[in-house]
Parts: sequence; structure tokens; C-alpha cells
Amino acid sequence: GAVVSQHPSRVICKSGTSVKIECRSLDFQATTMFWYRQFPKQSLMLMATSNEGSKATYEQGVEKDKFLINHASLTLSTLTVTSAHPEDSSFYICSAISGGSTDTQYFGPGTRLTVL
Amino acid sequence: GNSVTQMEGPVTLSEEAFLTINCTYTATGYPSLFWYVQYPGEGLQLLLKATKADDKGSNKGFEATYRKETTSFHLEKGSVQVSDSAVYFCALIYGGSQGNLIFGKGTKLSVKP
Repeated sequence: GAVVSQHPSRVICKSGTSVKIECRSLDFQATTMFWYRQFPKQSLMLMATSNEGSKATYEQGVEKDKFLINHASLTLSTLTVTSAHPEDSSFYICSAISGGSTDTQYFGPGTRLTVL
Repeated sequence: GNSVTQMEGPVTLSEEAFLTINCTYTATGYPSLFWYVQYPGEGLQLLLKATKADDKGSNKGFEATYRKETTSFHLEKGSVQVSDSAVYFCALIYGGSQGNLIFGKGTKLSVKP
């Protein structure tokens, strides 16, 4: 099946710094990528949807200036958490769909962010 | 609004036991229903799906039937294995849009030998 990778798998940073998380589709071209956030014992919450070459669409309540999303190519999307604070500590998961599929998302393994 | 409720875990079973993980949903219109599985250290994988009422999704011995009258999509397996230990997420898509994928909170299953 289709494979999506994320890097890094876990990151610890100081408050006020920025962190970039990469999401790659390894064996298919992803026309659309999604970024989710998961709190402990909670469901995945969609943060934003990004289409290659265009601006991301953010869900209500998600600060676009804090969570910068770039989808520069058909195989790579990045999420940058700017000026991170402890409340941004969470598990971030990306997913991708190829142009040929209408309702199957392929998920990355997630990135654990801890802000001290 | 649209939502998914699934039984809280963790669920601990012995090998070869029968598994049921309950899932109910609230949605406008006719959503598509999914079960995803997340094995330790891996991303979520689609386990099975059903797109209309009375459809039965099945894969790897797991089954779930789309019950519109009870708004349910319970996951079942007749005989679990240690390798089935994972977190299971029930989910729905409404309006046919990928951006409208809504997950339950997940149920952790541990199968003991």
C-alpha cells in the first residue's frame, strides 16, 4: 500500500523556538495532504488541508500564523510550529490522498512534539 | 453536529477470544463509515469501510456492518490474535469530502497469549 513518512518522529524544543515537521508520500503523488493533532485519549482533530501549490485551508480555531503549512511539491508538505509554547505539545499526524482515490487517506506515523 | 462515539478502552482479551468494539455515530445525511487501525509505532491504516446502509466491510477477519437504524458500525472478530493488539479508530466522512473525516477517540486492544 501507499506509504507516508514523517520526520522527525519526536522532537523536544524550548519555549519560543520554531519546529518544522515534514510529511512525505514515498511511493505516490499526493494531491492533498491533511494535518491532524491528537491529544492524549482524544480523537484526531483536523487542523488544515493543503493542496499542492496553493494555500492551506485551516479549520476553525486553528491559528494559521502559528501553524505554517507549506505543500511545495506533490510528495512533501511541512508543518512549522512557530514560537512554540508548552500548550502546543501534542502528537501531530499527517495524511495524504492520491489523485486516484476518493476516500482513502494514507497516514504518517506521527510526530510527538514536547515544548519545555 | 457530526460525531463518532466508540467504547473506551483499554480492552484486554486472551488469544482466540471474540472481539466487539462498539461504535455509534451522529451525522447529517448518509456518511461513509470506516475503521482504522494503528499498530505500535506505525501510522493509521484503513482496516475496512462501508459506504451505505447494510453494507458489510471486512478485512483480516474483522467485520463491521453499517446499521442505519441504530446508527452503529460495531467492529467484530471471531478469534483475535496477539498480532491484533493495536488502537482501533472508528471514523466517518460526511458530505463526500475528505476534509470531513471525523474520528472517534480510539480503543486500545491488548491480546494476551
